[in-house]
Amino acid sequence: GQNIDQPTEMTATEGAIVQINCTYQTSGFNGLFWYQQHAGEAPTFLSYNVLDGLEEKGRFSSFLSRSKGYSYLLLKELQMKDSASYLCAVISQAGTALIFGKGTTLSVSS
Amino acid sequence: DTGVSQDPRHKITKRGQNVTFRCDPISEHNRLYWYRQTLGQGPEFLTYFQNEAQLEKSRLLSDRFSAERPKGSFSTLEIQRTEQGDSAMYLCASSGSGVETQYFGPGTRLLVL
Repeated sequence: GQNIDQPTEMTATEGAIVQINCTYQTSGFNGLFWYQQHAGEAPTFLSYNVLDGLEEKGRFSSFLSRSKGYSYLLLKELQMKDSASYLCAVISQAGTALIFGKGTTLSVSS
Repeated sequence: DTGVSQDPRHKITKRGQNVTFRCDPISEHNRLYWYRQTLGQGPEFLTYFQNEAQLEKSRLLSDRFSAERPKGSFSTLEIQRTEQGDSAMYLCASSGSGVETQYFGPGTRLLVL
């Protein structure tokens, strides 16, 4: 089976840096995605990691360690608009469906 | 292309009624997925199409649910004899072939009274 764990909630202040962790257990690994979802809206793609290491994209970076079954999303220079749910997902063994965690709700305050 | 679109955006129905949702994927994408999301949870996979062929169905997809993609373009998801437990956001996503990023539509929020 597959299991994705991430913290339920996190809080941070504007301008700060926050790291959202995700651990996963999968039978087979085809890649890990991070999505951002604002309340009442669709998930939007942030990053994809399939090899170990750090992928940087502007204020957002994502890290993967396949041996540890671990990933994190790093958000720098936080803005109020970053308040959202952040979803960690792995691709199913068949390489089709996304298996999501429950999401981490990030609240950014001034 | 403006992305994945879904219709309707909101649907309120009474228990026992049938409902149908539509999804129009990004035009060049041949893969289409349906997910269901309830409050405080991540999306859960329901089913997947490659072109017009339905290749994978989750155990979550009971006999009351049926999905089609007749010409390999838009897709419909029908729920028969709706139950209150069907209340959720129904999300559609599309992607190209292989392990590619799935792009989500705005979702259809269903409320069953």
